[in-house]
Amino acid sequence: GESVGLHLPTLSVQEGDNSIINCAYSNSASDYFIWYKQESGKGPQFIIDIRSNMDKRQGQRVTVLLNKTVKHLSLQIAATQPGDSAVYFCAENLPPSGSARQLTFGSGTQLTVLP
Amino acid sequence: DGGITQSPKYLFRKEGQNVTLSCEQNLNHDAMYWYRQDPGQGLRLIYYSQIVNDFQKGDIAEGYSVSREKKESFPLTVTSAQKNPTAFYLCASSPRTGGATNEKLFFGSGTQLSVL
Repeated sequence: GESVGLHLPTLSVQEGDNSIINCAYSNSASDYFIWYKQESGKGPQFIIDIRSNMDKRQGQRVTVLLNKTVKHLSLQIAATQPGDSAVYFCAENLPPSGSARQLTFGSGTQLTVLP
Repeated sequence: DGGITQSPKYLFRKEGQNVTLSCEQNLNHDAMYWYRQDPGQGLRLIYYSQIVNDFQKGDIAEGYSVSREKKESFPLTVTSAQKNPTAFYLCASSPRTGGATNEKLFFGSGTQLSVL
């Protein structure tokens, strides 16, 4: 999972395998969650989001799972490809909805896809 | 193509100097944000603006200033008062305020600021 500090958690997977990246969020009142992908030297790219009234949401090759009981979020990437190598981080937002002002970002997990 | 453009990509600041980072968006978004990213840490909010001619301090506003004279533009000035300015600076925007989907941020490609 993610943590604050100079060294990011890392995850290495073989090309074609599935990846699971975890995120522990801090506030039980958070009602919106979002995953971003950031390649080195670039800005973050939106991957998928989920609201607290859902447990699961699927996108193209990605699935986000939300477990509110233990305040845990995960991102699953199917059939991981070399282009998936990047830092992945989650963010949580406190209500009221309507602004990104209270988005809190995790520090991220470095995903490396091995050939 | 619609998007957020940050410039320059790399910027160097001398001691005592103010520098300005540019951020332009053509997404017609109301809200714009500046974040600072340090190695191994999550993004931290510097300033944000929900509407033209209005902006609010974020969590780490000291040593920074902004303006929002046009909807498309939200420049950030790193002043000499910011004693540790070396970081990767990210500008972001979101569609509108008061709606249900505007927590979703769209980011620019970033500016790496270093101190000489």
